[in-house]
Amino acid sequence: DAGITQSPRHKVTETGTPVTLRCHQTENHRYMYWYRQDPGHGLRLIHYSYGVKDTDKGEVSDGYSVSRSKTEDFLLTLESATSSQTSVYFCAISGTDLNTEAFFGQGTRLTVV
Amino acid sequence: AQSVSQHNHHVILSEAASLELGCNYSYGGTVNLFWYVQYPGQHLQLLLKYFSGDPLVKGIKGFEAEFIKSKFSFNLRKPSVQWSDTAEYFCAVTHVILTGGGNKLTFGTGTQLKVEL
Repeated sequence: DAGITQSPRHKVTETGTPVTLRCHQTENHRYMYWYRQDPGHGLRLIHYSYGVKDTDKGEVSDGYSVSRSKTEDFLLTLESATSSQTSVYFCAISGTDLNTEAFFGQGTRLTVV
Repeated sequence: AQSVSQHNHHVILSEAASLELGCNYSYGGTVNLFWYVQYPGQHLQLLLKYFSGDPLVKGIKGFEAEFIKSKFSFNLRKPSVQWSDTAEYFCAVTHVILTGGGNKLTFGTGTQLKVEL
């Protein structure tokens, strides 16, 4: 398995609180991604990063922000968690070569109550 | 916008039955195509990929997929499924270029496969 670690693996939080999920990689890959997985929707891209301090929005970015201060870490923050953000969050990484696959972390199950 | 359609949301098969899961994508340019599998409680793992060349690609665990460009399809097949193939299967297509480069994987909604003994 690629060296990707997500933390925490499980979290329950209250509506309105901020939450930060961390993705750490040891592969020195340039690109990092945050997806959320929901039944009936597959995986949807939230934000991605193409380098240190270089990030952009995906298709479901509202309510989320990201930061990448180091190559190996990509943080996803829910500024004020809502119940609609209850989901499983996956981090993925990929290299520079376009003909390469993405590797996924183990996922973080977030429940907003 | 690029999209991926998986026609079967839930499939139930008996062991040794043949499997075919449909995947169609909408994108006019060059594509990279993938099938990922997610076993219960686990993360996504790559089953197989197509970048170029032979449109019939073979992956792990006896899976294969055929890229038919004229039909914008990339269907997954396995001649004889096993109980251990019970999982969710995702078709994915890479977007061409994101800001700054890189691959954006666009996923289908997934197919839940249950194999019964």
